[in-house]
Amino acid sequence: GAGVSQSPSNKVTEKGKDVELRCDPISGHTALYWYRQSLGQGLEFLIYFQGNSAPDKSGLPSDRFSAERTGGSVSTLTIQRTQQEDSAVYLCASSLSGAYYEQYFGPGTRLTVT
Amino acid sequence: AQTVTQSQPEMSVQEAETVTLSCTYDTSESNYYLFWYKQPPSRQMILVIRQEAYKQQNATENRFSVNFQKAAKSFSLKISDSQLGDTAMYFCAFKGSQGNLIFGKGTKLSVKP
Repeated sequence: GAGVSQSPSNKVTEKGKDVELRCDPISGHTALYWYRQSLGQGLEFLIYFQGNSAPDKSGLPSDRFSAERTGGSVSTLTIQRTQQEDSAVYLCASSLSGAYYEQYFGPGTRLTVT
Repeated sequence: AQTVTQSQPEMSVQEAETVTLSCTYDTSESNYYLFWYKQPPSRQMILVIRQEAYKQQNATENRFSVNFQKAAKSFSLKISDSQLGDTAMYFCAFKGSQGNLIFGKGTKLSVKP
């Protein structure tokens, strides 16, 4: 079946602009995660959605970052007033509910802030 | 807070040889899961192997096996009969009660012909 998809695959934006990154999880997966991968910081957790529960936002680096998940499926990560340090690959993953289940990752969105 | 440490930034191995990647972690939780993910240049993260902390038996998946030492909080990955397609970044990851994965910095593995 289809895996996790993300769009766009690459995004170049000017400093100060807002960007939206999209994630389509695997159908039936109730858990959805956003991670950021950068050269200096490695792979960092950003936010986690589980079913209808309030999301775990503990990894968001600043209030410029927000995410929503509509209808328990598609998720959008929004970065407002982008800064050069936001340049990174943003990875989305989804899984079935429960700690045992592996997370399936999308191909990521490479964000470059100029 | 949980941490994951991979002490080998880069490693190389000859094709058909065996290589071991190291990983240590720190946690106060007793129930958790450990994973090794592979990330080739395509950027796609792929699960290699998974270990449940409550299982004493080391996980194996074909040419991949782990040495899980719970008391020492060590979780190394052994790749036997290395193949050119094994060239990738390898990330060790911890999953506890919080739900998200906590990753190490990664080890860049190069398999040489």
